[in-house]
Amino acid sequence: EPEVTQTPSHQVTQMGQEVILRCVPISNHLYFYWYRQILGQKVEFLVSFYNNEISEKSEIFDDQFSVERPDGSNFTLKIRSTKLEDSAMYFCASRVAGGSYNEQFFGPGTRLTVL
Amino acid sequence: AQSVTQLGSHVSVSEGALVLLRCNYSSSVPPYLFWYVQYPNQGLQLLLKYTSAATLVKGINGFEAEFKKSETSFHLTKPSAHMSDAAEYFCAVTEGSSNYKLTFGKGTLLTVNP
Repeated sequence: EPEVTQTPSHQVTQMGQEVILRCVPISNHLYFYWYRQILGQKVEFLVSFYNNEISEKSEIFDDQFSVERPDGSNFTLKIRSTKLEDSAMYFCASRVAGGSYNEQFFGPGTRLTVL
Repeated sequence: AQSVTQLGSHVSVSEGALVLLRCNYSSSVPPYLFWYVQYPNQGLQLLLKYTSAATLVKGINGFEAEFKKSETSFHLTKPSAHMSDAAEYFCAVTEGSSNYKLTFGKGTLLTVNP
């Protein structure tokens, strides 16, 4: 069964460093998402991406964040200068396109720890 | 704006007992509602979804949920808990824009006692 994969599973970085979190969505999916979950808190929407551009972003997704689909398979989230409060689990999700709602499939997540 | 409230951050039941996890939503338009489950060190797996068809929705692993518009609720139930049901459960809503971003509740940790 196809699945969304994410690498690495755990990333430790120093405050101020840049990190890139990688996701490989399911191959025929066209919508891509990043969510995050700070420990003990709810899962929060960060950004959605369709047709090679951001379709919506939350207020969390400030200028320190960027997303990219550098090739036909990967979808990346970059944090330019990490802060302590960026420590969280980051989930990638993808879905097919279509007029009615289609399920978002989630990856296993990347746990980011900023020291 | 859409929002979700899950009552009870932790629910503990005995094996074989009824499972009831509560979810209330707020939405300015008819919503789509979901329950996701997260096992330790794993991603989010869809249990079931309501997308304006039948109000009683059956999902995987014997779970079901009923959409009650008058109560703005979408509670998750299972008649008989199994040890393997121990996990964190998240209720989520989307308002069906072309983007379909999900808004999640804070989650309910279900423990099942032998």
